[in-house]
Amino acid sequence: QSVLTQPPSASGTPGQRVSISCSGSRSNIGTNYVYWYQQLPGTAPKLLIYKNNQRPSGVPDRFSGSKSGTSASLAISGLRSEDEADYFCAAWDDSLGGYWVFGGGTKVTVL
Amino acid sequence: EVQLGESGGGLVQPGGSLRLSCAASGFTFTNYWMSWVRQAPGEGLQWVANIKEDGSEKYYVDFVKGRFTISRDNAKNSLYLQMNSLGAEATAVYYCARQVADYGGGKDVWGQGTTVTVFS
Repeated sequence: QSVLTQPPSASGTPGQRVSISCSGSRSNIGTNYVYWYQQLPGTAPKLLIYKNNQRPSGVPDRFSGSKSGTSASLAISGLRSEDEADYFCAAWDDSLGGYWVFGGGTKVTVL
Repeated sequence: EVQLGESGGGLVQPGGSLRLSCAASGFTFTNYWMSWVRQAPGEGLQWVANIKEDGSEKYYVDFVKGRFTISRDNAKNSLYLQMNSLGAEATAVYYCARQVADYGGGKDVWGQGTTVTVFS
């Protein structure tokens, strides 16, 4: 059972916009930054979004993040076949002495 | 090239121990917090522990406290995870990851992972 809640799956056709939600609580998303990671099949995770809505160098601007209250979302616009992957949200949680928490992941399928 | 490479995974019986290693290269290791994150087969990501640049602060997820120990040797650009009293739930791919302060702790570099299998 993950601390952050994500839908298990999402899908879209090429060119469409897909949005993935991430729900938490006051001790994590409500207080701290949200991060998003992309994991292509058989590979290590890759940082997509940091500090709620910032993209590391090299990440296309098709990926955008937002946060409101205790929820966050990742949007992928202009969906491409290479975006088919698992996406995980993450945040620092201030409870229990502090620890990083992840969502259970959302599998994005490009139809 | 900035790289992380894990090693030390393998098969271990319940109650056993393993020591994972992570070799860092291509960046100034002493400038970064480092983390261990694991992923059980077919499951999501689970943060395990992290350690400050100089090793003076360490944090663990609740269920590994007292059993796992994170450490680093800055002279060897290496990160370690000593895992004791292993149970089946520890079966996973273990990744080491670099945390970037400017990214608020976001983990921008990951290793390829090392697999730990606890079997009876």
